[in-house]
Amino acid sequence: AQSVTQPDIHITVSEGASLELRCNYSYGATPYLFWYVQSPGQGLQLLLKYFSGDTLVQGIKGFEAEFKRSQSSFNLRKPSVHWSDAAEYFCAVGAGNTGKLIFGQGTTLQVKP
Amino acid sequence: KAGVTQTPRYLIKTRGQQVTLSCSPISGHRSVSWYQQTPGQGLQFLFEYFSETQRNKGNFPGRFSGRQFSNSRSEMNVSTLELGDSALYLCASSFIRGSYNEQFFGPGTRLTVL
Repeated sequence: AQSVTQPDIHITVSEGASLELRCNYSYGATPYLFWYVQSPGQGLQLLLKYFSGDTLVQGIKGFEAEFKRSQSSFNLRKPSVHWSDAAEYFCAVGAGNTGKLIFGQGTTLQVKP
Repeated sequence: KAGVTQTPRYLIKTRGQQVTLSCSPISGHRSVSWYQQTPGQGLQFLFEYFSETQRNKGNFPGRFSGRQFSNSRSEMNVSTLELGDSALYLCASSFIRGSYNEQFFGPGTRLTVL
């Protein structure tokens, strides 16, 4: 069955420090992978996506993610975190040619000043 | 271009009642998907509509239903509300079907069932 696991429920980093959010997926075929961010009271905003090609993808707000097929992972990174990055982050896999997205449980990011 | 709009933003109902939520996709988008977000279960797929037809349905009871109109606007209905239906209901639209197409999410409707 298709699934997404985000092992870290809550992460706290200091402003200016680097960030890595982990995501592992289970999917039979080549996955379509996404990272979304959700601020309190808001909907989801797409940070980046991977479909094929270069395994290192760049997104908005200075985020990047690396697809590693051998590890079934799609970790999100940012070299220097800003206070405004505090939010909940969701990794998702797309289920083929449908519009269905399967989400992980989310990781809440807290940024210390 | 206006984003995805959802109405109402907040709703309070009592058990046993029914509720209808509305979603207006981005102009030109034809695919609409609905998700339920709760602290315990996270984000779960409800259903997907394209060209006024339900194309995909998640693992939810028959009390959850939806429809899509010719202008791509979509509604979802929950009948005989239960306490566990309290959630944030998110709508997402995309230009065409296929998860490789970016889905744009609305701000959600917060449903509270008392």
